[in-house]
Order: sequence, then C-alpha cells, then structure tokens
Amino acid sequence: DTEVTQTPKHLVMGMTNKKSLKCEQHMGHRAMYWYKQKAKKPPELMFVYSYEKLSINESVPSRFSPECPNSSLLNLHLHALQPEDSALYLCASSQDTGNPYNEQFFGPGTRLTVL
Amino acid sequence: AQKITQTQPGMFVQEKEAVTLDCTYDTSDQSYGLFWYKQPSSGEMIFLIYQGSYDEQNATEGRYSLNFQKARKSANLVISASQLGDSAMYFCAMREGPSGAGSYQLTFGKGTKLSVIP
Repeated sequence: DTEVTQTPKHLVMGMTNKKSLKCEQHMGHRAMYWYKQKAKKPPELMFVYSYEKLSINESVPSRFSPECPNSSLLNLHLHALQPEDSALYLCASSQDTGNPYNEQFFGPGTRLTVL
Repeated sequence: AQKITQTQPGMFVQEKEAVTLDCTYDTSDQSYGLFWYKQPSSGEMIFLIYQGSYDEQNATEGRYSLNFQKARKSANLVISASQLGDSAMYFCAMREGPSGAGSYQLTFGKGTKLSVIP
C-alpha cells in the first residue's frame, strides 16, 4: 500500500481562525514532509520530520506549526494566516531521509483558501 | 543556478503517439536519484519512475521509460502510446546525497504541462 492520506481536501479559513491539516501514512516510513505549492509552480519544501523529530524547517513563518505525534501521523497547525498563504499543501513520506534513492510518496493535498 | 531544468513549459501530443519530456540536472554528487512525478489538475503528485545515478540500465515502468544519459546530465521521460488521461503537469526531481547542497531533499524542476489531443 503506497498511500498517503490527507484531510481535509479543501479548507477555507479567515485570518483569525485556527485550523489543522492532517496527514497519515501506513507504509512504515520514518520521514515525513510538508510542501506548499502555488498555482503553476513546483512544490516548495516547508518541513521535514525524521524519526518523529523536526530535522528541517525551511524558514517557514511561525504561523505554520508542524507536529508529528507518531511515526504515522503528521499535522500542520495554522494560525493567523494571510491571504498569500492560500495554496495547495502537500504531505509526503519516504523510507528515511538518509538515502538519495528513496522515492517520496505524496498525498492528494489540501487546497487552502485564506480570506 | 537551477539544479533541475525543464525547458518545455508546454507540450502537445496526439493520442497513441509517443512523447519525450526533457529534463537536465546539475550536481557534483556521485550518488543521486532522479524522479518523475505526474500532477493532474486534481493536485495529487503521482510518482511515476525513478533512476539511480549508478543504475546502468534505463528505468522502465509500463508505458514510462527514463532515458538516462549521465555524461550529458539528462533524464528525459518517454511516454509511449499517449492516452487522454496522461494530460497533466509533469515534474522532474532530483535527490542528492550528503555532499549535495540539497542534502537528500527533493529538488523539483518547473514542470512541463502535457496536453494529449484526441
């Protein structure tokens, strides 16, 4: 099973709201990732978790807060977002981060609109 | 400098014909992986095919094959017998080893939008 699931599929939120994006994988992967993708652009890496520890934060504003409760779950907590944060948020997983030959499997994404 | 270059922003192909999507890469690493992903309008990034830097044979997966020319640093995707469902954005990506600046992270090209014409 090479499936990564994400909820919700779509999310509309105001700038004062607090919401969370959820990601789950059951492939036994130990690395999980959050990407942000604007229209007609490639995905941009936001965060990397390796063995449930945050290993990379690509200078993401603090209004985005990641959390990895266990090896299968990855959350992205959102607070006080700006309209320019509207994008497709993709979660991905791979066996680990220490091997350039491991493919990353992506979830279907959450389309976020900030009003 | 860009690490992954996809020079074709858009491509058209007739249904049942073959099409080649170009990708060149730049790395000083000896160990790296090259990947192709398909992204339909629904948004999901679908993994298609992978080539390791030490693989001597070109990778193939069904109708997809990767034309790997290491000396030229190119990793073109060939789709045979195009189908209407192949219409999507295609991203080439690279994952470098420890000495690469990307440090195992996936670096994407800008993508090629493929449209299959009936």
